[in-house]
Amino acid sequence: RKEVEQDPGPFNVPEGATVAFNCTYSNSASQSFFWYRQDCRKEPKLLMSVYSSGNEDGRFTAQLNRASQYISLLIRDSKLSDSATYLCVVIGDSGNTGKLIFGQGTTLQVKP
Amino acid sequence: ETGVTQTPRHLVMGMTNKKSLKCEQHLGHNAMYWYKQSAKKPLELMFVYNFKEQTENNSVPSRFSPECPNSSHLFLHLHTLQPEDSALYLCASSPGRSGGRDTGELFFGEGSRLTVL
Repeated sequence: RKEVEQDPGPFNVPEGATVAFNCTYSNSASQSFFWYRQDCRKEPKLLMSVYSSGNEDGRFTAQLNRASQYISLLIRDSKLSDSATYLCVVIGDSGNTGKLIFGQGTTLQVKP
Repeated sequence: ETGVTQTPRHLVMGMTNKKSLKCEQHLGHNAMYWYKQSAKKPLELMFVYNFKEQTENNSVPSRFSPECPNSSHLFLHLHTLQPEDSALYLCASSPGRSGGRDTGELFFGEGSRLTVL
């Protein structure tokens, strides 16, 4: 089983749609969780951290389900500029940034 | 504009060549990383340097040799590579904390795309 697993997609949605991605992780001792965004031929950038209580940043909502070992990212009112690959990232156990484990990424394409 | 600069952006080399990738960060960070990104695969952590000391070597073959002369610079020396080593090599930095947790945010460079013939 992969340490961090994502559906690679692509998810093709029209502008204005709501889309959700899930990500599962295998290590129940994992402490910290993040979503990164990577545009085509660009470097990954932190989108948002994922807190136990869930968190929201504008149109983006991230949630954590420790019991089922998955995190989710919800994007409301999709924009063309949201087209990118979304990487699920987990810090394994020690809390050391060096143990960031990346998922394969989920590709989102927002169409006009 | 990224605070982490990588050169060269593109590199084509033969299997017998020796080349180096360079990374420089202007963010005042103390931790630096090399990641490998291959098509349809997750980012793979290769090496971590924390306060110039190597703290992680993720079972990387010896044909990849990192060097961290100071907290701002990181090199990846390449020799006798294989075609399967062709990939995007990403450098990243983070604030780094001696003996403590970091925030989880990595700042990546734009990457060096390597092709091994």
